[in-house]
Amino acid sequence: DSGVTQTPKHLITATGQRVTLRCSPRSGDLSVYWYQQSLDQGLQFLIQYYNGEERAKGNILERFSAQQFPDLHSELNLSSLELGDSALYFCASSVGQISEAFFGQGTRLTVV
Amino acid sequence: GQNIDQPTEMTATEGAIVQINCTYQTSGFNGLFWYQQHAGEAPTFLSYNVLDGLEEKGRFSSFLSRSKGYSYLLLKELQMKDSASYLCAVRDNAGNMLTFGGGTRLMVKP
Repeated sequence: DSGVTQTPKHLITATGQRVTLRCSPRSGDLSVYWYQQSLDQGLQFLIQYYNGEERAKGNILERFSAQQFPDLHSELNLSSLELGDSALYFCASSVGQISEAFFGQGTRLTVV
Repeated sequence: GQNIDQPTEMTATEGAIVQINCTYQTSGFNGLFWYQQHAGEAPTFLSYNVLDGLEEKGRFSSFLSRSKGYSYLLLKELQMKDSASYLCAVRDNAGNMLTFGGGTRLMVKP
């Protein structure tokens, strides 16, 4: 158990819908990262927050957005969902910006 | 940006040693990480190199050469449970983005 908690574990929804994925980082970790992993694909970096502020943006679609709240938990919002958005979405956290990142168990999103 | 290359697949025999290579080209560098990922599960941290040289941790070792943009992960005394994907990741200069390579799927055979 990495200490990073993601909910829900599984999510099935229809095209065009909107969903919110939630991440609680390890206690004391200020950095949160979101990654997308499609079937048999590598981890694609989406976005990073540090202590509530956006710090880096990767290949994140405009239909996707995220935020980190004062209690440091983070949410990833996915809207106007398409079939191609079906993937595992991982959240990771780290103490600072140099230390290793620890991953949550992921949310498996299936868009039908 | 970051460009990270790893072999897609490797096969090795139980009890043997295997070396998984990773080359990277980055606009900034602040550390290289290796993670292990079993199918459908979360990546788990294995090792971290920021200076040149070898870091040893039990059966796993990781090497870094910053001048060559090269790292390898060495797995000794392979066990069947080592069958997994091994991900090389580079952190940028600002300490922000952690960019992953496509991963190397290792199959350990009896």
